[in-house]
Amino acid sequence: DAGVTQSPTHLIKTRGQQVTLRCSPISGHKSVSWYQQVLGQGPQFIFQYYEKEERGRGNFPDRFSARQFPNYSSELNVNALLLGDSALYLCASSFSGDTYNEQFFGPGTRLTVL
Amino acid sequence: KQEVTQIPAALSVPEGENLVLNCSFTDSAIYNLQWFRQDPGKGLTSLLLIQSSQREQTSGRLNASLDKSSGRSTLYIAASQPGDSATYLCAVPGGTSYGKLTFGQGTILTVHP
Repeated sequence: DAGVTQSPTHLIKTRGQQVTLRCSPISGHKSVSWYQQVLGQGPQFIFQYYEKEERGRGNFPDRFSARQFPNYSSELNVNALLLGDSALYLCASSFSGDTYNEQFFGPGTRLTVL
Repeated sequence: KQEVTQIPAALSVPEGENLVLNCSFTDSAIYNLQWFRQDPGKGLTSLLLIQSSQREQTSGRLNASLDKSSGRSTLYIAASQPGDSATYLCAVPGGTSYGKLTFGQGTILTVHP
């Protein structure tokens, strides 16, 4: 069975641009979460979606938005990119998104903002 | 606010040694604790999930323990190998956002031949 998939693998953007990252969860999983990991730190929670509804939001500005589609895949959008948005963006899927569910992570998208 | 701390930040050991990685958390009201492995520039691989009702979980050469009352977990790696070199992260769910995982900063492990 396929695990969590993310695309693209790498992205290079310039300041002020917009970017869209994509994630497909494990088959049968209905919840997707997004995390940002800057170099040398642990991942920081951005969003969680379950059944197309936002279930949780971390301490990130409104430039960050996301959505989940009927097939449970998800997109993360970041507008007006800043140099500080350069990071590895990780997607995680779980069955229901409840706190007792194990989360499984994808390979990540490396975003570089110049 | 849940805070997770991992000690040590980095560890370098010769092949064959048994080693212990530590994780502490400030809010003991957790449902479970998850240990992950991360290779450089890659995603996270789930190693072990310990539910709050469990005290230990084992997978191969890995053993994780959980002591909720003291806010601590340890990951024990037996007979370390160069292929174990990676960053090890622990994470706990909960906090103000539903389904959120709070991570430690990780322990960078290097096992040299």
